[in-house]
Amino acid sequence: QVQLVQSATEVKKPGASVKLSCKTSTSTFNTFHIHWVRQAPGQGLEWMGMISPRGGSTVYAQRFQGRFTMVRDTSTTTVNMDLRSLRSDDTAVYYCARENMNCDGDCPPGYWGQGTLVIVSS
Amino acid sequence: SELTQDPAVSVALGLTVKVTCQGDSLRDFFASWYQQKPGQAPILVLYGENNRPSGIPDRFSGSSSGDTASLIITGAQAEDEADYYCISRDSSGAPWVFGGGTKVTVL
Repeated sequence: QVQLVQSATEVKKPGASVKLSCKTSTSTFNTFHIHWVRQAPGQGLEWMGMISPRGGSTVYAQRFQGRFTMVRDTSTTTVNMDLRSLRSDDTAVYYCARENMNCDGDCPPGYWGQGTLVIVSS
Repeated sequence: SELTQDPAVSVALGLTVKVTCQGDSLRDFFASWYQQKPGQAPILVLYGENNRPSGIPDRFSGSSSGDTASLIITGAQAEDEADYYCISRDSSGAPWVFGGGTKVTVL
């Protein structure tokens, strides 16, 4: 069974940064691209970016470039992300998700973590 | 590019409903589809050229024509009431993009 376990709820002030984690199995970590997707309250899904298992190369959605970073931690088979310069409209549930098949990033997310709620409020 | 979905659609129990997703990138790339119920993570119900992940009922199918992809639920059940999102590769900007979502109500 594919499992991605995400970190707990975060509450941040505007202008701060948030770091989230996504713990995966060794096979997932070494084989599949990991996507990050967010969903603001009552809104739709928004694709943020993905990170490759090979060399940790990253691709970001244009609107997040410059304040969103994904990195792999090989020692813990965890994918970490951080989002900087937080605004109130960054309040959302953030999901990590594994591509559904080994397609080198060409397959959609297929297995999702439970999500992490990030609240940005003064 | 964007993917456009109707905000809401309803279907009588046991009948067929089509959820559409329109965008220029769909001329080049397949759409995949997710079902999401309140408070839950999305579930992939269709990917690629009409493929269902393991465990997804065969009442879920897909079709595509030109710039429009469709998710078809044949014989809708009460448990199919949910939000449905399409996703596809994007030929400009982000490699992946979601549609805005369609709320399916089963009457």
